[in-house]
Amino acid sequence: GAVVSQHPSRVICKSGTSVKIECRSLDFQATTMFWYRQFPKQSLMLMATSNEGSKATYEQGVEKDKFLINHASLTLSTLTVTSAHPEDSSFYICSARDWRTASTDTQYFGPGTRLTVL
Amino acid sequence: AQSVTQLGSHVSVSEGALVLLRCNYSSSVPPYLFWYVQYPNQGLQLLLKYTTGATLVKGINGFEAEFKKSETSFHLTKPSAHMSDAAEYFCAVSNDYKLSFGAGTTVTVRA
Repeated sequence: GAVVSQHPSRVICKSGTSVKIECRSLDFQATTMFWYRQFPKQSLMLMATSNEGSKATYEQGVEKDKFLINHASLTLSTLTVTSAHPEDSSFYICSARDWRTASTDTQYFGPGTRLTVL
Repeated sequence: AQSVTQLGSHVSVSEGALVLLRCNYSSSVPPYLFWYVQYPNQGLQLLLKYTTGATLVKGINGFEAEFKKSETSFHLTKPSAHMSDAAEYFCAVSNDYKLSFGAGTTVTVRA
């Protein structure tokens, strides 16, 4: 149980284009999903928290107009990187909080998406 | 705010030897603590977690961790390393339902 998927696993795009990454909880309902960014050999940096049906909460320093997050259902959240540039190249990981273990703040992570902007 | 510090960015062990990864936390309230493992180009997998109750927590793949409040520690151990344990390990503490991660420890296993 508690499986989270991400799609695509890898994407290469040209500078200036937009890229959408999907995060799905496959066997549970996720009232809260999180988006992280990870640079090589570094830890995870929380970008934003999204709650189903409401606006995402962005961490300080994260541009909300550049990283659009939508959490339209209890099993799906999307991250859109708008007008991507090479500095946006990174490993993006989502996680979801299972409502059944929400009181313990346990998060289950997706496999990540490698974004390369040329 | 809660935070964690992982001592040692890189640990190298021989196959069959003890694995010990150190994590110290800072928290103003009773913490929830987690260990996650990350294999190359993959997401994070939950190894184990401490919420309340028994301070010795057993996880998957033979790992366990002990919550020591007096030492503000949550060290991860495995009695006998296997080649498949080579990965990046992250300690995390929950902070108002968000997770704060340590810098990570890379484990290499020598044959």
